[in-house]
This record gives sequence, C-alpha cells and structure tokens, in this order.
Amino acid sequence: SAVISQKPSRDICQRGTSLTIQCQVDSQVTMMFWYRQQPGQSLTLIATANQGSEATYESGFVIDKFPISRPNLTFSTLTVSNMSPEDSSIYLCSVGTDTFGSGTRLTVV
Amino acid sequence: GENVEQHPSTLSVQEGDSAVIKCTYSDSASNYFPWYKQELGKGPQLIIDIRSNVGEKKDQRIAVTLNKTAKHFSLHITETQPEDSAVYFCAASTGSGGSNYKLTFGKGTLLTVNP
Repeated sequence: SAVISQKPSRDICQRGTSLTIQCQVDSQVTMMFWYRQQPGQSLTLIATANQGSEATYESGFVIDKFPISRPNLTFSTLTVSNMSPEDSSIYLCSVGTDTFGSGTRLTVV
Repeated sequence: GENVEQHPSTLSVQEGDSAVIKCTYSDSASNYFPWYKQELGKGPQLIIDIRSNVGEKKDQRIAVTLNKTAKHFSLHITETQPEDSAVYFCAASTGSGGSNYKLTFGKGTLLTVNP
C-alpha cells in the first residue's frame, strides 16, 4: 500500500491566521481525501481532492475556509483559513481506505 | 447519507479476555466495512476489512462478522494483549475499498486491556 508523508505534525497558530498542511504520497493516486478529527471524536470527511479538478466538499465545509490544492497525482495541500479556536483539531489526509497520513495536530490560540 | 453507529464508546477487559465492538449502518448501498486501530498521535491503521459478499473474515486474533440484512457488523479480538489498547473505529463505504471511495466513520471505541 501507499506511504504518506504529512507535514507539519503539529502547530500552534494565532487566531485569524492560516495554516497549510501538506501530504506527499510515494505513488500516484487518483483521489486524496482530507478528514478532520476533533478532540476525542471520530473522523469527518472535509473534501475529496481529484487531480485536475476542483475538490468536492462535504456538507458543512466550504472552499473559502478549507481551500485544497492537488497539483499532481502525488501531492495535495489543505489550508485552514482565518482560524479560530474551534478549528483546533487533528487534520488527516488519506488515499482511500487503507492508508492515512499521521495527522496534523492544530491548536489555535 | 450514510450514518454509522458504534458501541460501546469505552471497553475495558482483562488481558486474555475477548473484546467485541459493534457497528450498525444505514445505507443499504454500503458494501465495504473496514476497521481501524488508532494509537495516540498516529493516523488510523487498517486492521481488517470485510466486503458485503462475505459473512465473516478472520486474521489471527481478529475477526469481523457482517449481517447485511440487519445492517450490522462487529469486530472480535480474542486473547487480548495490553498492546491492543487503542481507539478502534468502524467505517462504511459504498465502494469496494481502495482508492476512490470515501468513508463514513463510527465514533470510536476506546479499548483498554488491563494486564
């Protein structure tokens, strides 16, 4: 199965700023998925990123808040924009059902 | 959309005992049901999965059963060890696994195995 390198592993950010999370895959994949895991909670899908087209967002998530780039078949970024303390979560990328990144633990102060 | 319910939310067992975690799903179109183990500070790790054309699957101490009629599936861990302690998530997908299908997760079960 694929291997994902996700960066940063954690960050503490000021409210109102933005953070970009990167995921690099060691093989070419059609789709990448971005999830949010709030403290002690389950994973919720934010969006599906297909190379060469706009990402598809789930209900409750919007492009202005979580812009996603997918410039090639091995890389994707998720930006958390204009952050507030409610955005404090773990953000994970995946390449389908069997491989997840190690997560980015974001704390907004 | 799909809704996955998972029970119990916490489970504490003695080493060597069995642990069972149960999930139900709502979308009859779902046909792929993976289970994940998540340790602190790590991403979910796929430990076993089952597809809708199979009723049971076993891998050493771990087994999963699926009842499509009742829309529920369960994870069974036998001879538990302290290193089994983690959060376990069930999930459902309308794909058959692999690259192109999104997952709906249950809320997770914190399993503690006491030595």
